[in-house]
Order: sequence, then structure tokens, then C-alpha cells
Amino acid sequence: EVQLVESGGGLVKPGGSLRLSCAASGFTFSSYTMNWVRQAPGKGLEWVASISDSGRSIYYADSVKGRFTISRDDAQDILILQMNSLRVEDTAVYYCARDGLVSTLYGCFVYWGQGTLVTVSS
Amino acid sequence: DIQMTQSPSALSASIGDRVNITCRASQNITTSLHWYQHHPGKAPKLLIYTDSSLQSGVPSRFSGTGTGTDFTLTINGLQREDFATYYCQQSYRSPPWTFGQGTKVEIK
Repeated sequence: EVQLVESGGGLVKPGGSLRLSCAASGFTFSSYTMNWVRQAPGKGLEWVASISDSGRSIYYADSVKGRFTISRDDAQDILILQMNSLRVEDTAVYYCARDGLVSTLYGCFVYWGQGTLVTVSS
Repeated sequence: DIQMTQSPSALSASIGDRVNITCRASQNITTSLHWYQHHPGKAPKLLIYTDSSLQSGVPSRFSGTGTGTDFTLTINGLQREDFATYYCQQSYRSPPWTFGQGTKVEIK
């Protein structure tokens, strides 16, 4: 059974940093593009970042480019989102999501975690 | 970036109704269109991928049609567990991937 479990959310002040993790199990983690998607309170879903199976291709939404870094540890089956220079508007539930096809940048999010809440407030 | 526009933003329907939700892309995305269901506090769930393919385990009352710029999600015979928010999302060529703003389906 595919499982994605996010952790690392919490309350942080504007300008602060936070590191989110997503522990994956039930599939060959190193073979899939992985993604972060967020939902701000009362808003819709927003794609945040993607990292290819090899880790060589990385993409960011303009809203987080230069502040967030996506990475992966294939030895431990963990996806990471390092968030720096956080803003109030980054407040959201952050979901980890697995792509649908092996070794392909597909952009279809087949499996999702339950999410972790990040609150940026002074 | 490709903009996705859903309509309506919300609708009220009764158990057993047929519901249509439309999604329009700002440019031709061929069939690179997926639909998700989201209940509050839960993980989003993939319903339809690549325009019209039903995800494994999803009831057959859900269907997707369209191509190019105009797409429709249809729920035939609304069930109680279908009251949720639905999102379309495009994955044409390369990121940024974009979602529609969502359609909330409420009980009439």
C-alpha cells in the first residue's frame, strides 16, 4: 500500500524557516517524480514544486522560487521541502504527492499524503 | 502560464442528480487534464486522469470528457459521499502545473 506521511509543519514568524519532510513507503520511491502541493485557508489547491526521479530536474512555482528548495533522499525514501524567508501568504496545508508514471514527469498526482499545516504569523 | 477556469464555483444538488462541472484552459492542452475530489481535512483524491480515464477504485458514475481547451466532469447519480470540492488540473508539457479554482458541490 502506498503511503505518504508529511511532517515538520508548525508556527513560524515571517522571515523564518521550516523544513518539511514526506516519508514514503509501499513503492519504489526512487522511480517517481515527487511533488509538493499546498492549500491556503479558504483557497484552492496550488502546485508548489516537483523533483524528477533522478533529482536532476526541479521545478518551482513563481510564488516560491528562490525561497523554497525541494530535494529527495532516495536512500531513506524521503521527500524534503526547505522553506526559507517565509511569508504570511505561505500559510497553508502542504501536501506531498506522487506522480502517476514511473521515470516520467507526468504531472498527475495519483497518491497524496494527509498534509501538514504551516502557519506563518507574528 | 496556463490558466484553468472552472464553472460554476459552487452548486447545490440533490442525491441522485446528474452534475456537470466544466473546466476551460487558456490554451490547447490536448488531453493533459486531470480531476480531483477533495473533502475538508482529507487528502485530495484523483478521480479522472488524462481527460477521461477513470482512476482505479473510483465509481463509474464519475466520467470526464473534452479535449483541447474545454473539459467536463460529470457525476451521474450524485451520492452523499460526493459532496465535496472538485478541481481540474493541467499537466501539459512541463511545469508550472495549474489547478482550477475549484467547484464546491453542496447538498440542496
